[in-house]
Amino acid sequence: GAVVSQHPSWVICKSGTSVKIECRSLDFQATTMFWYRQFPKQSLMLMATSNEGSKATYEQGVEKDKFLINHASLTLSTLTVTSAHPEDSSFYICSARAGLVFDTQYFGPGTRLTVL
Amino acid sequence: AQRVTQPEKLLSVFKGAPVELKCNYSYSGSPELFWYVQYSRQRLQLLLRHISRESIKGFTADLNKGETSFHLKKPFAQEEDSAMYYCALSHASGGSYIPTFGRGTSLIVHP
Repeated sequence: GAVVSQHPSWVICKSGTSVKIECRSLDFQATTMFWYRQFPKQSLMLMATSNEGSKATYEQGVEKDKFLINHASLTLSTLTVTSAHPEDSSFYICSARAGLVFDTQYFGPGTRLTVL
Repeated sequence: AQRVTQPEKLLSVFKGAPVELKCNYSYSGSPELFWYVQYSRQRLQLLLRHISRESIKGFTADLNKGETSFHLKKPFAQEEDSAMYYCALSHASGGSYIPTFGRGTSLIVHP
């Protein structure tokens, strides 16, 4: 089956630094990738939708200058948390979809970000 | 605006009992609905989608447009069904289709 990887699986950083998280579709081309944030015991909150070669579409309330998303190829999307603060600590999950609306989303394992 | 509601945060049953995880949605268009499952220490994965009309691991879900529901059912729960279940709706937005997830229901099946 299709596999989506994320790197790193966890990261601890100091407040004010930037952190980049990679999301890769390993055996298929993902025309669309999604970035989610998940708080403990809560649902997934969609942050942005990323289509290859175009700018990401951010959900309301998500700061595009803080959460930079790049989808440079059909197999790679990156999320950069700029000037991270403790409130940015969370579990970030990406998913990738090959194409059509009813195509399955394949999820990455998530990245645990802790900002000190 | 679209919304997915899973009214139960936690559902606890005994092995062999029937299970129904509720999901209600609000969406003005024609919905595409999914159930995702997350087992302990594993990533989220698709369980089933309404267009497939399939049964996966004994689970079924029927779209009821009149009641705007997509409840997940299984006649006899197994311990290995214990997991977090998310109902999701895919809707059109800005030329693309993006998902909205419910808050999830934690299913615990006791031996």
